[in-house]
Amino acid sequence: DTAVSQTPKYLVTQMGNDKSIKCEQNLGHDTMYWYKQDSKKFLKIMFSYNNKELIINETVPNRFSPKSPDKAHLNLHINSLELGDSAVYFCASSQAGLRNQPQHFGDGTRLSIL
Amino acid sequence: AQTVTQSQPEMSVQEAETVTLSCTYDTSESNYYLFWYKQPPSRQMILVIRQEAYKQQNATENRFSVNFQKAAKSFSLKISDSQLGDTAMYFCAFMKRTGGSEKLVFGKGTKLTVNP
Repeated sequence: DTAVSQTPKYLVTQMGNDKSIKCEQNLGHDTMYWYKQDSKKFLKIMFSYNNKELIINETVPNRFSPKSPDKAHLNLHINSLELGDSAVYFCASSQAGLRNQPQHFGDGTRLSIL
Repeated sequence: AQTVTQSQPEMSVQEAETVTLSCTYDTSESNYYLFWYKQPPSRQMILVIRQEAYKQQNATENRFSVNFQKAAKSFSLKISDSQLGDTAMYFCAFMKRTGGSEKLVFGKGTKLTVNP
């Protein structure tokens, strides 16, 4: 009965490869997010989707392409992986317009580039 | 631009004692929301407490409470009767509205260690 689930939890791959991280939420929320947590634990938003539409794109390289097939899913595809992409990626969801409601986070995906 | 500052990179406290984590923020908005999230070694992001800026009363959740000083733009977290399970990174966050969505702007975190 996990609210926000991400797969995989760990991803180890070579530089230059293409990889995807999947996210699903069963909370009925209409907004989903991707955050990146770097090696210093700093969390920063990357993307936000509301009802399958891109709302926030925080100057993320074009190699990162989010895709939302429906409002319960937001996947992150990364092309030509670079060493600097090593981080923990968190998916989150919330109900837009209810600002007092917190964002619910997945457990994160640790991406390691060799 | 909204910024969130946590000035204490690391703190430690003895079990059963009280500790306060500081957070200041900068915004031109009059109504907004603030949160504290906890990230234990398991990596999960867990909501600890939230505060709405228009509410003068400080939020409280069991052993966790905040000292919200709107004029000073300060939002500190007090943990009473600290427990070993409180050991974690604590992130202060400001919810910023952007278009039809909101995003969380996080501070850099405070690593709290509770010692037995």
